[in-house]
Amino acid sequence: GAVVSQHPSWVICKSGTSVKIECRSLDFQATTMFWYRQFPKQSLMLMATSNEGSKATYEQGVEKDKFLINHASLTLSTLTVTSAHPEDSSFYICSASVRGTYEQYFGPGTRLTVT
Amino acid sequence: GENVEQHPSTLSVQEGDSAVIKCTYSDSASNYFPWYKQELGKRPQLIIDIRSNVGEKKDQRIAVTLNKTAKHFSLHITETQPEDSAVYFCAATKGTALIFGKGTTLSVSS
Repeated sequence: GAVVSQHPSWVICKSGTSVKIECRSLDFQATTMFWYRQFPKQSLMLMATSNEGSKATYEQGVEKDKFLINHASLTLSTLTVTSAHPEDSSFYICSASVRGTYEQYFGPGTRLTVT
Repeated sequence: GENVEQHPSTLSVQEGDSAVIKCTYSDSASNYFPWYKQELGKRPQLIIDIRSNVGEKKDQRIAVTLNKTAKHFSLHITETQPEDSAVYFCAATKGTALIFGKGTTLSVSS
């Protein structure tokens, strides 16, 4: 149980275009979803926290107009990287949790390469 | 906000030895402290966690200790094996979210 999927697993896009990444909880209802970014050989950096039906809370330094997060249902959250640039190339990982519990269930990640 | 420091950044041990990784956190409100193992290009895998009302937890070769007064917690791996080689991350809660340490690359040589 507690499976989280992400789609796509990898994507290449041209500079200036937008890319949408989906995060789904497959067998549970996720009241909260989180988005992380991980550069090579670095740690996971929390980008934002999103509760179903509410606006996402972004961490300091993360541009909310560039990284659009939508959490429209208890099983789906999306991250859209708008006007992508090469410096946005990274490994994006989502996680999900259930209200009242601490444990987070991680998706497999999406490798974004912006050319 | 929460800040999590992790040491060492790299750790090399011989097979069968023990490995210890230490973390400190800044937010006294943090109440959940998980440890993750991550292999290259994969998602983090929870290996053990501890809640703030517990001082120690053990699961076979892996143990975690927590000192809330000093705001530090440690991961102990005994009888290390080559397959333990990976990057290990500690984390602490900030509200419902997790803030991660910078990671420790553990290498176990046979």
